[in-house]
Amino acid sequence: DIQMTQSPSSLSASVGDRVTITCRASQSVSRYLNWYQQKAGNAPKLLIFGASSLQGGVPSRFSGSGSGTDFTLTISSLQREDFATYYCQQSYSTFTFGGGTKVEIK
Amino acid sequence: QVQLVQSGAEVKRPGASVNISCKTSGYTFTTYYLHWVRQVPGQGPEWMGEISPSVGTTSYAQKFQGRVTMTRDTSTTTVYMALSSLRAEDTAVYYCVRILTGSGDTGQFDHWGQGTLVTVSS
Repeated sequence: DIQMTQSPSSLSASVGDRVTITCRASQSVSRYLNWYQQKAGNAPKLLIFGASSLQGGVPSRFSGSGSGTDFTLTISSLQREDFATYYCQQSYSTFTFGGGTKVEIK
Repeated sequence: QVQLVQSGAEVKRPGASVNISCKTSGYTFTTYYLHWVRQVPGQGPEWMGEISPSVGTTSYAQKFQGRVTMTRDTSTTTVYMALSSLRAEDTAVYYCVRILTGSGDTGQFDHWGQGTLVTVSS
């Protein structure tokens, strides 16, 4: 199975900060990499698919990049509603998720 | 709009089985595969398997082979996931999710059910 490793596991940031989360795959997943946001008590929500394509309705402050084994999710200017846990997921060979990055208020 | 509505929370004894339903609406049921994903509290989601609503074929994660069964009812546009021989480690929130695999898609899960908490405790 392909393992997905996210870093950091948690971070503290302020409204307006630029935030970057990284995800590394144990082998190449090409661009079959998706990002989700999960708020407490809710199901994950799709943010980005294909490493860099923004899901409809998702604010443009979210962006993704990378290919192969290394990927990043960037929030250009953190808003209050962005405090949540973020997961990467590979869909290249079955499906595996990263362990998550919790974004907390500083 | 697309909706996936799951059955309610369950409490089970170790060794028992659980059956969760996922009622879909707002799209053509047979067009998209449906998957089941579970999430142990405090951990990342974990893929369990998939079912083709059109023909009923299934594929399960190796970890759950022999314990999980996914079925569908096209007349009610509902899919079901049964997990047997439950143990404490199966305590988790279980989600049904729709996947997009068309041109330009990358197997992303675009719609999720609200989740069903299964608690396994003696």
